[in-house]
Amino acid sequence: DQQVKQNSPSLSVQEGRISILNCDYTNSMFDYFLWYKKYPAEGPTFLISISSIKDKNEDGRFTVFLNKSAKHLSLHIVPSQPGDSAVYFCAASVASGTYKYIFGTGTRLKVLA
Amino acid sequence: NAGVTQTPKFRILKIGQSMTLQCTQDMNHNYMYWYRQDPGMGLKLIYYSVGAGITDKGEVPNGYNVSRSTTEDFPLRLELAAPSQTSVYFCASTAQGENEKLFFGSGTQLSVL
Repeated sequence: DQQVKQNSPSLSVQEGRISILNCDYTNSMFDYFLWYKKYPAEGPTFLISISSIKDKNEDGRFTVFLNKSAKHLSLHIVPSQPGDSAVYFCAASVASGTYKYIFGTGTRLKVLA
Repeated sequence: NAGVTQTPKFRILKIGQSMTLQCTQDMNHNYMYWYRQDPGMGLKLIYYSVGAGITDKGEVPNGYNVSRSTTEDFPLRLELAAPSQTSVYFCASTAQGENEKLFFGSGTQLSVL
């Protein structure tokens, strides 16, 4: 049972345009969400987070939106740059103190120059 | 700070062999995790630890064992390697005050033939 789903395996976007990556979850107990970026042959690196008390969090070109009623979050990258080409994972956790995150299957973003 | 260090980076095992994947962190994090990533899949949690002497199962613990005798080290043991354990393994750590984000190592690519 996939509790965190990223239904788009891949996405191509022109440089300078907006990239929107989506993530859905099924467990209503999840209350903290992370986005990670992963380049080939490297470990995932943290990008941005959001807690369930917020519906938006911004960090430079990256914004995460959370819609709790729809159990949906999205990552917006504006403007997209070729260096953003990577696999993006969303992850969710219950704030139980264990920080035990469940990850989605990832979306491969390709930013075209 | 080196962060999270995993060794080896690559390993080929024969069916039935055993090995230990090493993970050490120098950030004094009390929470540590082992994830595996299969091709086209997300990261699945194998085992985690909330402190020295305490370990617990994640989503896919079968075929693995862990120990946590020190804060720094969290080795993952494969006793009887099977082809289904061919994967990339990532170790991660975090602590309260790190904004709940996980810090990952660069991974160990394991093939069981």
